Amino acid sequence: SAVISQKPSRDICQRGTSLTIQCQVDSQVTMMFWYRQQPGQSLTLIATANQGSEATYESGFVIDKFPISRPNLTFSTLTVSNMSPEDSSIYLCSVSRGVGGSYNEQFFGPGTRLTVL
Amino acid sequence: KQEVTQIPAALSVPEGENLVLNCSFTDSAIYNLQWFRQDPGKGLTSLLLIQSSQREQTSGRLNASLDKSSGRSTLYIAASQPGDSATYLCAVLDMNYGGATNKLIFGTGTLLAVQP
Repeated sequence: SAVISQKPSRDICQRGTSLTIQCQVDSQVTMMFWYRQQPGQSLTLIATANQGSEATYESGFVIDKFPISRPNLTFSTLTVSNMSPEDSSIYLCSVSRGVGGSYNEQFFGPGTRLTVL
Repeated sequence: KQEVTQIPAALSVPEGENLVLNCSFTDSAIYNLQWFRQDPGKGLTSLLLIQSSQREQTSGRLNASLDKSSGRSTLYIAASQPGDSATYLCAVLDMNYGGATNKLIFGTGTLLAVQP
């Protein structure tokens, strides 16, 4: 397994501001992911954070709105920029050690609960 | 495109009852299927991983089965307790969508309430 921590655990922000969420893993992992979970919904993948290269964004998500850093194999940040109330969600970091394969298990952090006023 | 569905959307049972949660997926070309638990406002806890070559996995009171050919998985919870109350999510690692990227496709979740 992997132990994942996220900071902050929750925040209340004003419209138009930005928030950076940190994700720390207790061991080196190949792949890190950022998800968004809007109220009452399932998880939607925002992007895959690749160490040493640009993040890969899913359809509907852009780098200007959700810039991501991955400076090493145990840490990543997601910034939610120019926030609006529609950005109010739980943001989750997840990791997996390998690539592909039936044995690959994903583990999730505790989430960051963001409310935008 | 792979779609994952969970039925029922919500379930309420008395304490001590055995129960089954269902997960269906439309494309059988998967690497694995994971069951997660999510408490309100929290992250996901991995419960069980079933590889595509496996039929079932057990952990304590939990038993998950996988029938790839029919596109179904079930999560069986024995002797339910109020502490089992949470949302249960299944997710597949699709060979076409996630093969080289580890991207999971999530179901819609089942909200379980176990009444004391």
